[in-house]
Amino acid sequence: DAGVTQSPTHLIKTRGQQVTLRCSPKSGHDTVSWYQQALGQGPQFIFQYYEEEERQRGNFPDRFSGHQFPNYSSELNVNALLLGDSALYLCASSSGTGYTEAFFGQGTRLTVV
Amino acid sequence: AQTVTQSQPEMSVQEAETVTLSCTYDTSESDYYLFWYKQPPSRQMILVIRQEAYKQQNATENRFSVNFQKAAKSFSLKISDSQLGDAAMYFCAYRSGYTGNQFYFGTGTSLTVIP
Repeated sequence: DAGVTQSPTHLIKTRGQQVTLRCSPKSGHDTVSWYQQALGQGPQFIFQYYEEEERQRGNFPDRFSGHQFPNYSSELNVNALLLGDSALYLCASSSGTGYTEAFFGQGTRLTVV
Repeated sequence: AQTVTQSQPEMSVQEAETVTLSCTYDTSESDYYLFWYKQPPSRQMILVIRQEAYKQQNATENRFSVNFQKAAKSFSLKISDSQLGDAAMYFCAYRSGYTGNQFYFGTGTSLTVIP
């Protein structure tokens, strides 16, 4: 059983560019959450997708957007990249609305230069 | 918003010894869940242990156990018989049982295991 998979594993972008990160949830999971983990910090919640809709959003600007596909996979898009967007982006998958556990992927390391 | 505080940026333990990692949290809710996640250099967050706030009994998972003090809003992790593979970043996390589904994470504790 494949767990949560994220792609790419590493990415280097230039300020002002746009980036798309991808996540495939664990088999049987229908909910995907995205987190940003800056160096030396704990993960910060960006948003969550369920039934192809954004259900909840953290304190992140509109430059951060997402999408969920019918197969439950998800994308995170970041526009107009800033140096401060450099971080590890983690995807977490879970099942339904009453879950008590989430499974995380290995993350995408984004570096903005 | 809920906050989670880990006051120990770094800890070390001798192999086979016991170590305790501290975590405090702030909430006005009565229904919530607490977690300890391990993040090794591979970067993947791995669930170590989970505690439901309504349960008085402390959770245990093999060598890992917690000391959950609800009134004090404290949630410490005890690792017994430490192994080299336990070396990692450990994050304490909170999730509300009412609203939202996001995790609130602390800033982490880096655990070194000395052979």
